[in-house]
Amino acid sequence: DAGVTQSPTHLIKTRGQQVTLRCSPKSGHDTVSWYQQALGQGPQFIFQYYEEEERQRGNFPDRFSGHQFPNYSSELNVNALLLGDSALYLCASTRSRAGGADTQYFGPGTRLTVL
Amino acid sequence: GQSLEQPSEVTAVEGAIVQINCTYQTSGFYGLSWYQQHDGGAPTFLSYNALDGLEETGRFSSFLSRSDSYGYLLLQELQMKDSASYFCAAYTGRRALTFGSGTRLQVQP
Repeated sequence: DAGVTQSPTHLIKTRGQQVTLRCSPKSGHDTVSWYQQALGQGPQFIFQYYEEEERQRGNFPDRFSGHQFPNYSSELNVNALLLGDSALYLCASTRSRAGGADTQYFGPGTRLTVL
Repeated sequence: GQSLEQPSEVTAVEGAIVQINCTYQTSGFYGLSWYQQHDGGAPTFLSYNALDGLEETGRFSSFLSRSDSYGYLLLQELQMKDSASYFCAAYTGRRALTFGSGTRLQVQP
């Protein structure tokens, strides 16, 4: 049973560029969340996608956008990169259900370095 | 705002028991999760407490007291491979996790 997968594993960009990160959820999961983890910090929630729509968003600017495809995979796009966007970007998947919270399972992450 | 407080570092010896505490202040609370993260790795789910009390999973146990806005992770029979960062994370809605800054556990021989 494949877990959450992400690509690429590492990426180097320069300021002002745009980047797209990809995530495939765990088998049987239909919901994908994205988190940003700066060095030495806990992950911070960016947004969550379900049924191809963004259904909750954290405190991140509009430069951060996403998409979910019919097969539940997801992309995170970041425009106009800043040095401060350098971080580990984590994707987490879950199976949405009525009532209660949905345990989230994380992928290995994409390490983004902005020069 | 949302905040979770946990110690930044804990050191213990192999075979010992260690407890990592977490206090939280959140608007809306659905439950508390714990994750383990080795350097360069992904956060790995350890446990989830939706209700008050103790949850046990092998060598790991987690406790929650909603009235005290407090929880802890208990690791027993420590092994060298348990050296990692441990994060408490609150479900502040059904969908989003708010993480603490993490506790770096160092297990010494």
